[in-house]
Amino acid sequence: EAGVTQFPSHSVIEKGQTVTLRCDPISGHDNLYWYRRVMGKEIKFLLHFVKESKQDESGMPNNRFLAERTGGTYSTLKVQPAELEDSGVYFCASSQVQRNSPLHFGNGTRLTVT
Amino acid sequence: AQSVTQPDIHITVSEGASLELRCNYSYGATPYLFWYVQSPGQGLQLLLKYFSGDTLVQGIKGFEAEFKRSQSSFNLRKPSVHWSDAAEYFCAVGVWKAAGNKLTFGGGTRVLVKP
Repeated sequence: EAGVTQFPSHSVIEKGQTVTLRCDPISGHDNLYWYRRVMGKEIKFLLHFVKESKQDESGMPNNRFLAERTGGTYSTLKVQPAELEDSGVYFCASSQVQRNSPLHFGNGTRLTVT
Repeated sequence: AQSVTQPDIHITVSEGASLELRCNYSYGATPYLFWYVQSPGQGLQLLLKYFSGDTLVQGIKGFEAEFKRSQSSFNLRKPSVHWSDAAEYFCAVGVWKAAGNKLTFGGGTRVLVKP
């Protein structure tokens, strides 16, 4: 079974530019999550989709971040305009909609804003 | 709100020696607990999970963890470390919310393995 796929693996952009990250979950996983790790700090929750619906976006830092999951398959996370403090590793994870279903993470996208 | 503490930021261990990584959590109910590992250049890989039942949990790569409710701990152990175990390890507590498990992570413990 293919795992969670994220791309790009790395992105370097200038402050003020726009970046879009993509996540393809494991097939059949209706839950999709975004997490972020900034500069060696804790991995923090950003938001959670069930199929195409946003269930919890309490971790989104501000309105420069927009996540979508059209059709309930892959998801995108857009940062517009990017700021220096947005640099970090963005992880996507997916799971089945079951209490005992663990999250399976992708390899992450390392975003550097200069 | 739940929280997770991993007291050790770095641990250095000799190859073949035993390893124990500490994890303490704060949560009002019975938690779902996880250990993940991130090897260099890789994503987060699930090592093991605890949802209920037997408090000693076996995972992949020879790791095990023990849930101790009285100590609010979920320490990770391995009897004999291999050089490939050099990585960063994360403990997490999960809360079932809105049909999903929302994870709160500890700060991570980086393990260095000496030959």
